[in-house]
Amino acid sequence: GAGVSQTPSNKVTEKGKYVELRCDPISGHTALYWYRQSLGQGPEFLIYFQGTGAADDSGLPNDRFFAVRPEGSVSTLKIQRTERGDSAVYLCASSLTGISAGSTDTQYFGPGTRLTVL
Amino acid sequence: GENVEQHPSTLSVQEGDSAVIKCTYSDSASNYFPWYKQELGKRPQLIIDIRSNVGEKKDQRIAVTLNKTAKHFSLHITETQPEDSAVYFCVLVGSQGNLIFGKGTKLSVKP
Repeated sequence: GAGVSQTPSNKVTEKGKYVELRCDPISGHTALYWYRQSLGQGPEFLIYFQGTGAADDSGLPNDRFFAVRPEGSVSTLKIQRTERGDSAVYLCASSLTGISAGSTDTQYFGPGTRLTVL
Repeated sequence: GENVEQHPSTLSVQEGDSAVIKCTYSDSASNYFPWYKQELGKRPQLIIDIRSNVGEKKDQRIAVTLNKTAKHFSLHITETQPEDSAVYFCVLVGSQGNLIFGKGTKLSVKP
């Protein structure tokens, strides 16, 4: 079946602007994760959804970042007043359940959105 | 907090040689240790994983070992091929199922 998809693949914006990044998880996956990957680094966790609710948003860097998943499927990551330091690849991943440190659910990643803030 | 250290950061080998990547971690309750491969400009993809009740797992040319007492785990690739060139990440699973990635090892396999 279809994998995780993300749109847009690339987004260039100006400092101070608002952006939205979209993630379509694998159908039936209840767990959805957002990560941010800076150049030369591993992905860093931002937020985790279990169904419609944000189960853990401890990775969001500040209150300019927030994300929603209103119907438990598609998620949107929203960044207000973008800064140059927000430039990175934003990755979304989904897994079937993803409930705990003991979970062995595989997380499947999307291709990412490359955000460039000028 | 949970943290994983990975080394080396870069590794260059001749085609056919073996490659070994090592990771150590602290303060993790994780019972599951996946490894992801990321080719340039592509998404991370799971290549192999190991659970804490197993000390070693092998899948064709790739093997992983885990020593949970010593808190370290390793990836071994034998008979390397140019298509193995990529960045490899060792990963912990956090308390919410979030993945905690190492900084990555850039493997270059020279033909």
